[in-house]
Amino acid sequence: SQTIHQWPATLVQPVGSPLSLECTVEGTSNPNLYWYRQAAGRGLQLLFYSVGIGQISSEVPQNLSASRPQDRQFILSSKKLLLSDSGFYLCAWGRRDQPQHFGDGTRLSIL
Amino acid sequence: SQQGEEDPQALSIQEGENATMNCSYKTSINNLQWYRQNSGRGLVHLILIRSNEREKHSGRLRVTLDTSKKSSSLLITASRAADTASYFCATDVWGSNYKLTFGKGTLLTVNP
Repeated sequence: SQTIHQWPATLVQPVGSPLSLECTVEGTSNPNLYWYRQAAGRGLQLLFYSVGIGQISSEVPQNLSASRPQDRQFILSSKKLLLSDSGFYLCAWGRRDQPQHFGDGTRLSIL
Repeated sequence: SQQGEEDPQALSIQEGENATMNCSYKTSINNLQWYRQNSGRGLVHLILIRSNEREKHSGRLRVTLDTSKKSSSLLITASRAADTASYFCATDVWGSNYKLTFGKGTLLTVNP
């Protein structure tokens, strides 16, 4: 069966520090991969999606970037975090015309 | 901008009662999905309904879709305290690479 792993679960970082959040999928190949951010009490905002290795589409201009170095690995990064980058980050995988499957998320707090 | 908007924003009911949540969207869709999120956790998929379908059932869940009104509803029958969670609708449109646009969600509280 397919599983998705996201880490860390919680992260506290100072303003201006770098960021790297990792997401890996097991049990499937060539999935579509997604990064979402959820502000408190809000819905999910799609940040990036990828349909293949090295293929990244950005949905909103921001301080973050994403990379897909391997088929089942999706990384969310920043060189210098801002206070506004705080939030709950969710990774998901999906296939054409099928439901998306989410990881347990990373709670990012910027101090 | 949000494609889906859930209504109500919050709903509090007693165990055993039915809960109905609504979702409205703006543009023509390919599919509409409902997800559930327990506090601080990831989303769990509940039901996917395609644009040519009008109703789907899964256990105690019933989803309807009215494309003429651009709206959907999620009914949870015989609710349980464990149903307490946030519920989101999400839509994708043709040609979007199956990117989902989520509403802000309905927070359902089921009191024992």
